[in-house]
Amino acid sequence: EVQLQESGPGLVKPSQSLSLTCSVTGYSITSNYWGWIRKFPGNKMEWMGYISYSGSTSYNPSLKSRISITRDTSKNQFFLQLNSVTTEDTATYYCARSHGGYPYYFDYWGQGVMVTVSS
Amino acid sequence: DIVLTQSPATLSVTPGESVSLSCRASQGISTSIHWYQQKSNESPRLLIKFASQSISGIPSRFSGSGSGTDFTLSINRVESEDFSVYYCQQSYSLPRTFGAGTKLELK
Repeated sequence: EVQLQESGPGLVKPSQSLSLTCSVTGYSITSNYWGWIRKFPGNKMEWMGYISYSGSTSYNPSLKSRISITRDTSKNQFFLQLNSVTTEDTATYYCARSHGGYPYYFDYWGQGVMVTVSS
Repeated sequence: DIVLTQSPATLSVTPGESVSLSCRASQGISTSIHWYQQKSNESPRLLIKFASQSISGIPSRFSGSGSGTDFTLSINRVESEDFSVYYCQQSYSLPRTFGAGTKLELK
């Protein structure tokens, strides 16, 4: 069974970097696409970006140059780094798998990790 | 970016009623729409892919329809476990976008 689990600090100070890990079991991250999605207080959902089976990435332009998604295939993990965070980055962060050979929809999700940006 | 507008924002129903949730895209997107259910304190669950295609393990009371700009998620005879928030998501272009959600609540 495919399982994803996010981990990382629940509290980050403004202007610092947010770093999260998604650990995947039951499926190799060298197949499919793997993404990060966040849900803000008030329920708005935002797709942040993905990393492909080959390691290529695509990001939401709204995040400009603040975001980076990388991976460690030996550990079957992929990572999110978001720089220069503000209180507006407070959200629940999910990692998810896109089904098949193209990132159309997300068929497996992690349980989510709540991150608060506050001094 | 493609904007997805979901309506209504909240829908109050009693168990046994049948409901339709709407998702409208800001431009034509063929059938590149997918529906998710999110219960409180859980992660989203995929219900329908490509507007009308069913997903293994999802109850048959959930169905989807539409193409172009107008899409509908239908729930035939709502059950108590269905009270949650429903989102649509488009895969027609990048960046992927989601609707704001429709909350299905108990009347």
